[in-house]
Amino acid sequence: AQRVTQPEKLLSVFKGAPVELKCNYSYSGSPELFWYVQYSRQRLQLLLRHISRESIKGFTADLNKGETSFHLKKPFAQEEDSAMYYCALSVRGQNFVFGPGTRLSVLP
Amino acid sequence: DAMVIQNPRYQVTQFGKPVTLSCSQTLNHNVMYWYQQKSSQAPKLLFHYYDKDFNNEADTPDNFQSRRPNTSFCFLDIRSPGLGDAAMYLCATSRGLAASYNEQFFGPGTRLTVL
Repeated sequence: AQRVTQPEKLLSVFKGAPVELKCNYSYSGSPELFWYVQYSRQRLQLLLRHISRESIKGFTADLNKGETSFHLKKPFAQEEDSAMYYCALSVRGQNFVFGPGTRLSVLP
Repeated sequence: DAMVIQNPRYQVTQFGKPVTLSCSQTLNHNVMYWYQQKSSQAPKLLFHYYDKDFNNEADTPDNFQSRRPNTSFCFLDIRSPGLGDAAMYLCATSRGLAASYNEQFFGPGTRLTVL
C-alpha cells in the first residue's frame, strides 16, 4: 500500500530563513505528488504538484524518485507562510493518501 | 463564488443513531470525495464518486455509505456511529482523475461529535 511520511510534526523558523518541509513516500511505480496547505481558519487547498514544475508563493518541490522524496522548499520564509502543510500521493488519479502534516511556524 | 459547501458545520449524534452529512458543489466537477480526519491525523480517503461510479477504499468500514443523487450533491451516511467515528469529515471535488484535472477543492468540513 502507498504511504506518505512527514517526519516533522512542527517546524519553526525565523522570518527570512530558508525552510524545507520533508516528505517521503513508499510506492514502487510512478506516483503523482502534491503539497496541500491549510492556513488558519481556511480550507485545505492545493499549493503545488510535481507535474506542474512551478513555483507557488516562492515554494518549490522536486520529485526525487531515487530517494522517494518530494521535499518542499522556500529560500526565505515569510510570516504568512505559517500553516499546516500536507504532502499527498495519488496513483493514476486515485487512491489519494495524505501524510500526517507538518505545522510550519514562521517567527518574526 | 463557485465552491464546495458542507452542511452542517457541526453535527452531534448519539452512539448508534444514523447520521447523514451533506456536501454540495457549484463547480460542476465530475469527482466528489469524502475524507475522515481525526484529531492531529492525516485526512483519510473513505471513497469517491466519478460521476455516478462509486469507488470505495479497501479499508473503509461498511458502516460508512455514500450517495450521489446528482452532480451537485453527495451524502455521507454513517449507519451506526461509534465513539471512534468522531472526527472532521471533509468533502472535496475535482474536475477529473487524470493528471492536470485532479486538483482537489475542499469544503470547510463537518465536525461530528458522537455522544
